[in-house]
Amino acid sequence: DAGITQSPRHKVTETGTPVTLRCHQTENHRYMYWYRQDPGHGLRLIHYSYGVKDTDKGEVSDGYSVSRSKTEDFLLTLESATSSQTSVYFCAISESWVDNEQFFGPGTRLTVL
Amino acid sequence: ELKVEQNPLFLSMQEGKNYTIYCNYSTTSDRLYWYRQDPGKSLESLFVLLSNGAVKQEGRLMASLDTKARLSTLHITAAVHDLSATYFCAVAPYSGAGSYQLTFGKGTKLSVIP
Repeated sequence: DAGITQSPRHKVTETGTPVTLRCHQTENHRYMYWYRQDPGHGLRLIHYSYGVKDTDKGEVSDGYSVSRSKTEDFLLTLESATSSQTSVYFCAISESWVDNEQFFGPGTRLTVL
Repeated sequence: ELKVEQNPLFLSMQEGKNYTIYCNYSTTSDRLYWYRQDPGKSLESLFVLLSNGAVKQEGRLMASLDTKARLSTLHITAAVHDLSATYFCAVAPYSGAGSYQLTFGKGTKLSVIP
């Protein structure tokens, strides 16, 4: 398995509070991604990174921000959590744009009350 | 807007039978991915298809890509219970900065019944 960890694995928080999810990789891959998975929607891309300090928006980026200060870490922040952000969040990494095969972390289940 | 449609969304099949899952997409892309997800687990990469006519096989699963028809198929041969899972296809047109963003279908939940 690709060396990807996510923390926390589970979190319950209240509406309006800030939340940061962490993705850590030991593979030294250039590309990192954050997705959310919701019933009936499959996975949707939130933000991605193509290098340290290089990030861009995905399909559902509103309400989320990201940072990548080191190759191995990619942080996803919900500045003010809302109930619509209750979801399972997956981080993914890929080494090469040639085939862009993405490997996924174990996921974080976030509940916003 | 890129749309990726999988059919069927739910599939119940008997052990030993064959079946095909279809993945249609709405824009030009020469690369397509298949993933498997077990309940409560992460996604596992099954196949990466990078050109028109690409065919890959692993065990009882075979995936193919027809970029002209914008269609990929995942064929299951002689299904066994261990194949029960949700299968996702994902399409990745080039999005700039050397990156290909994946757009996923909604998944096909496969149940193989003894």
